[in-house]
Amino acid sequence: ELKVEQNPLFLSMQEGKNYTIYCNYSTTSDRLYWYRQDPGKSLESLFVLLSNGAVKQEGRLMASLDTKARLSTLHITAAVHDLSATYFCAVAYNTNAGKSTFGDGTTLTVKP
Amino acid sequence: NAGVTQTPKFRILKIGQSMTLQCAQDMNHNYMYWYRQDPGMGLKLIYYSVGAGITDKGEVPNGYNVSRSTTEDFPLRLELAAPSQTSVYFCASSYSTVNPEFFGPGTRLTVL
Repeated sequence: ELKVEQNPLFLSMQEGKNYTIYCNYSTTSDRLYWYRQDPGKSLESLFVLLSNGAVKQEGRLMASLDTKARLSTLHITAAVHDLSATYFCAVAYNTNAGKSTFGDGTTLTVKP
Repeated sequence: NAGVTQTPKFRILKIGQSMTLQCAQDMNHNYMYWYRQDPGMGLKLIYYSVGAGITDKGEVPNGYNVSRSTTEDFPLRLELAAPSQTSVYFCASSYSTVNPEFFGPGTRLTVL
């Protein structure tokens, strides 16, 4: 059974600071996805990582995937308040059907 | 495009009642998914579909049923509602099997 662990689960940081969210998973997979969820809202797809060494960047967020270490990171650069949200990683375990296991999420709060 | 739409937004059921959660997408996507999200947790896959007439179980299918008679619609049926089914339900769709890309706004269901 694929297990996905995110850490930290809660992160409070000040504007302008950098930080990294980690997503570890237990079995082999070469596909990993990151999503954002604002409070009381639905999920928004952020990044799709499809191979070992994949790196994607959008604004102040950068995601990477190391399939050998079974680890993905979501790096936040110079955080701003608008990045406050819950971030989920999801790891594919059946790519024919688009099936994936989600982590429990990292709730990020960026304070002025 | 309306994207992925879900109805109703909120619903309270009594134990033992049944209901259908509606999901529709207007993007001509073959892949559709139903997830549930319990408080403070990630999403768990209930059922998915790879096209009209084809459905299969996800991680937590017990107590639910689905049908997919058209590409656009993917309703989720709850029979004999139980308190354990209190959750937020999200429908999602995607063009390919890479990842569930577009999510609906969710249905918040409470079973009392």
